[in-house]
Amino acid sequence: QVQLVESGGGVVQPGRSLRLSCAASGFTFSSFGMHWVRQAPGRGLEWVAVIWYDGSNKIHADSVKGRFTISRDNSKNTLYLQMNSLRAEDTAVYSCAREQWLGDRGHGFDIWGQGTMVTVSS
Amino acid sequence: DIQMTQSPSTLSASVGDRVTITCRASQSISSWLAWYQQKPGKAPKILIYKASSLESGVPSRFSGSGSGTEFTLTISSLQPDDFGTYYCQQYNSYWAFGQGTKVEIK
Repeated sequence: QVQLVESGGGVVQPGRSLRLSCAASGFTFSSFGMHWVRQAPGRGLEWVAVIWYDGSNKIHADSVKGRFTISRDNSKNTLYLQMNSLRAEDTAVYSCAREQWLGDRGHGFDIWGQGTMVTVSS
Repeated sequence: DIQMTQSPSTLSASVGDRVTITCRASQSISSWLAWYQQKPGKAPKILIYKASSLESGVPSRFSGSGSGTEFTLTISSLQPDDFGTYYCQQYNSYWAFGQGTKVEIK
């Protein structure tokens, strides 16, 4: 079945790095734009980053620009988020999501993973 | 950046009630808006895209309307399974979510 499974979360000290992975299955991964979305404990959803289906373009939210980098390996059906210079305010559940493509543009996120928790604390 | 503001933040309603949630954008987003339902500990589920298009498999009691800067999500007859938090999301210029509306069943 269509599925996204995140991994790589954990507890990390401020200023350190972490790399998250999102393994896709059940669909043609290389045909879809992919996003990372995070949710701090008890808070709402925050969009983090997007990467085009072929990796040709990447956009990051201002809150993570210069610290986080989204990437993908279509041969491995895997999406990544490299997180550097982590801060306490980056503590959240990080989820990957597939952009729903209808006609000639994206329309929201139709497939989501369950998320992986990242805790930044000394 | 486009800011999305939802109201109310919380609402409590009875089974069978008609429920309306409002989402306002800080600038026009045409009809590039989606609605999601999220239950505790679960991933969000898309309900509506392009402001008023019902996602496949979503019950017809859910509907969306609006364009420009003001949008609504309506549940025509609230069911026990409809509890959760609802988010709007604009995808006109990058992507951004509203702060959420928690729906509780009385």
